[in-house]
Amino acid sequence: DAGVIQSPRHEVTEMGQEVTLRCKPISGHNSLFWYRQTMMRGLELLIYFNNNVPIDDSGMPEDRFSAKMPNASFSTLKIQPSEPRDSAVYFCASRMTRGETQYFGPGTRLLVL
Amino acid sequence: DAKTTQPNSMESNEEEPVHLPCNHSTISGTDYIHWYRQLPSQGPEYVIHGLTSNVNNRMASLAIAEDRKSSTLILHRATLRDAAVYYCILRALYGGATNKLIFGTGTLLAVQP
Repeated sequence: DAGVIQSPRHEVTEMGQEVTLRCKPISGHNSLFWYRQTMMRGLELLIYFNNNVPIDDSGMPEDRFSAKMPNASFSTLKIQPSEPRDSAVYFCASRMTRGETQYFGPGTRLLVL
Repeated sequence: DAKTTQPNSMESNEEEPVHLPCNHSTISGTDYIHWYRQLPSQGPEYVIHGLTSNVNNRMASLAIAEDRKSSTLILHRATLRDAAVYYCILRALYGGATNKLIFGTGTLLAVQP
């Protein structure tokens, strides 16, 4: 398996622009997680899905952030409008529902100017 | 959520064993102890997990104290490729937080040749 796939790997955008991050989980995994990592706050869980349904979005910082999972093989994290403080590395992870291990993607490094 | 406490950093020499400690004095009886590591510029990767008994796998060993208030990740022979941030995380077995991994600041392990 190719593992968790994230795109783009790097994104540079200007403040106010819409940003869409994409994730393809490992085939057969039913749970999907979005994390954000910054120097100041470390690694934070933003939202997770189980069987394509959002279960806990308490980590989503504000209404500018939204996440969708239209099917079992694809998820997006959207920021609209983006702000410089959104600059971070965004990781997607997936896991089998009854598994213990989360498998992380390589991350998307976002820079908002 | 039960918290974990780890040293900010540790150093080791190549080919020597490394013992990474973690304190979790408020652990509940149904919390699993997970260890993940994050190599530079990569997403976190699973290392090992356990509940009560000591565990071994190809990457490491996990020694859990009898009262479960602390644990130690053991790398038997450190290599330069083991230089990473190591996270000790508690995962609830029951309740709404069962899917969550709450990452702390971890221990930055430096391995000297």
